[in-house]
Amino acid sequence: AQSVTQPDIHITVSEGASLELRCNYSYGATPYLFWYVQSPGQGLQLLLKYFSGDTLVQGIKGFEAEFKRSQSSFNLRKPSVHWSDAAEYFCAVALPGSTGFQKLVFGTGTRLLVSP
Amino acid sequence: KAGVTQTPRYLIKTRGQQVTLSCSPISGHRSVSWYQQTPGQGLQFLFEYFSETQRNKGNFPGRFSGRQFSNSRSEMNVSTLELGDSALYLCASSLGSGGFSSNEQFFGPGTRLTVL
Repeated sequence: AQSVTQPDIHITVSEGASLELRCNYSYGATPYLFWYVQSPGQGLQLLLKYFSGDTLVQGIKGFEAEFKRSQSSFNLRKPSVHWSDAAEYFCAVALPGSTGFQKLVFGTGTRLLVSP
Repeated sequence: KAGVTQTPRYLIKTRGQQVTLSCSPISGHRSVSWYQQTPGQGLQFLFEYFSETQRNKGNFPGRFSGRQFSNSRSEMNVSTLELGDSALYLCASSLGSGGFSSNEQFFGPGTRLTVL
């Protein structure tokens, strides 16, 4: 069965330090991959997505992610974390449904805490 | 352009009751999908509607149902509520057609349902 694994439930990073959130997927073909962020009491906001092509993708808020086919990974990175980045981050795989629809399968999320 | 709106934002019900949640998609979007978010199960896909028809369905019991109106607004209904139905219910809208890679889903803020 298709699955997405985010091995870190919580991560604490000092403000200004670099960040890497891990994501591994299990899927027969190369899937479409996403990272979403959820602030408390809010819905999900798309940070970035990978469909094909360049394996290093840039997103909003200074985030980037690298797709590594050999490792079935799609890790999220940011060179310098800001206090406002504290939130929960979800990696997701899109599975084809009917034409034009992406059924999203989410990882369990990683809660990022930013210390001063 | 206004985002996805969901009403109500918060809801408290008792076991055995039924509840209806509403979602208004982004103007021009014809696909509406619903996800359930709980601490134990994470984010899970419920179903997707396009042009008033359910196109895709997740693994939820028949107590969970939905519909879509001609203006693309969607409602989700849960009958005979159980304690385990307490969750954040997220609605997402997308174009619904025109190619898999272009159909990003935009999420609303969610409806927090508490079942007592």
